[in-house]
Amino acid sequence: DVKVTQSSRYLVKRTGEKVFLECVQDMDHENMFWYRQDPGLGLRLIYFSYDVKMKEKGDIPEGYSVSREKKERFSLILESASTNQTSMYLCASSFRDRGLAEAFFGQGTRLTVV
Amino acid sequence: AQSVTQLDSQVPVFEEAPVELRCNYSSSVSVYLFWYVQYPNQGLQLLLKYLSGSTLVKGINGFEAEFNKSQTSFHLRKPSVHISDTAEYFCAVKAGGSYIPTFGRGTSLIVHP
Repeated sequence: DVKVTQSSRYLVKRTGEKVFLECVQDMDHENMFWYRQDPGLGLRLIYFSYDVKMKEKGDIPEGYSVSREKKERFSLILESASTNQTSMYLCASSFRDRGLAEAFFGQGTRLTVV
Repeated sequence: AQSVTQLDSQVPVFEEAPVELRCNYSSSVSVYLFWYVQYPNQGLQLLLKYLSGSTLVKGINGFEAEFNKSQTSFHLRKPSVHISDTAEYFCAVKAGGSYIPTFGRGTSLIVHP
């Protein structure tokens, strides 16, 4: 079974802190994604990576950065956490086949910024 | 550009009744379509997908969906729901040539006893 593992299920951070969300997948997928999920807004793409050290901005990249130093690991960084970044964060991965492959998701990290 | 509209934010239904969750998409090129389910406090898991071929797609847990190109729809159906089907359901589209799935806003299916 494909496994996408997010390092924390729940996090509470203070405003202004630098926050790292880690995601690891074990299926040798080329593509990795970070989504943010908010009630009524569905999943919104923050960043996408199609290879090591490669990244592309999604729909809502402001206030976030990412790092992909190894194929299996994709990190989301909140440079200076703010209360409006309180949300559920979902990591996903897929093969790079331009359409056919479905995305596999981690369990999610529920981040609260106080 | 690709987009997905899930027409109902919430669908309440009684146990053992049939249900349909609606999804419409827009894309100027050929598409691949997916339905995912999210149980409380969990990530998303794939229910079914349409890539090509038969327009009726069967998935896990007794769900099925029908691809209708002329109406640009991909509605999800189940003939008899169970309490355990209570969850959030997401429709997603990938246009041919795109790496990135676009998700709808989700439909909350609430099954009452």
